[in-house]
Amino acid sequence: DGGITQSPKYLFRKEGQNVTLSCEQNLNHDAMYWYRQDPGQGLRLIYYSQIVNDFQKGDIAEGYSVSREKKESFPLTVTSAQKNPTAFYLCASSSLQGYEQYFGPGTRLTVT
Amino acid sequence: GDSVTQMEGPVTLSEEAFLTINCTYTATGYPSLFWYVQYPGEGLQLLLKATKADDKGSNKGFEATYRKETTSFHLEKGSVQVSDSAVYFCALRPNSGGSNYKLTFGKGTLLTVNP
Repeated sequence: DGGITQSPKYLFRKEGQNVTLSCEQNLNHDAMYWYRQDPGQGLRLIYYSQIVNDFQKGDIAEGYSVSREKKESFPLTVTSAQKNPTAFYLCASSSLQGYEQYFGPGTRLTVT
Repeated sequence: GDSVTQMEGPVTLSEEAFLTINCTYTATGYPSLFWYVQYPGEGLQLLLKATKADDKGSNKGFEATYRKETTSFHLEKGSVQVSDSAVYFCALRPNSGGSNYKLTFGKGTLLTVNP
């Protein structure tokens, strides 16, 4: 079955540590996205990538970094510079000319 | 910039009640409009979409009509079920310019349906 996988589902880290969230898709989509979801705030775009080896900042990129070395993979690193990292992180993908974004199941990150 | 405003929840209904969740938008030109649904602890699923004025999107008994004159895309269902309990997000995607990849979301509306 085609889809997007994110791992792990739950992640716990201590303050000051960097953490990398995984996102893999087998939909052959060119574009991939990372969103952050906080209660009552909808989804906010962190980074997006339309092609391998290229990515752009979204609305809230500070404290995050990404890479896109393969079409299928778009990992997100939450660095120690991110002031409020505890959140639900969602990865999505779309065909470059497509209208819909398809979402993964999400990773809930808790930093204490 | 683009924005989406949807009615604040939570919305609590009894099974078989009629549902309306209001959504209005601000955008340049003619964006595409979407409703996504998020069940507890899960990612978002596309529920329905409309890509031009007067289009009606429909799926699983839900409907929404793209009204350009009122810049609205209200979600309706004639008879809700307990299994419809979820958070519903309205979103728009520009159809022109350099940002036509980007979805702008509303804040979400929590729907609870009681038996």
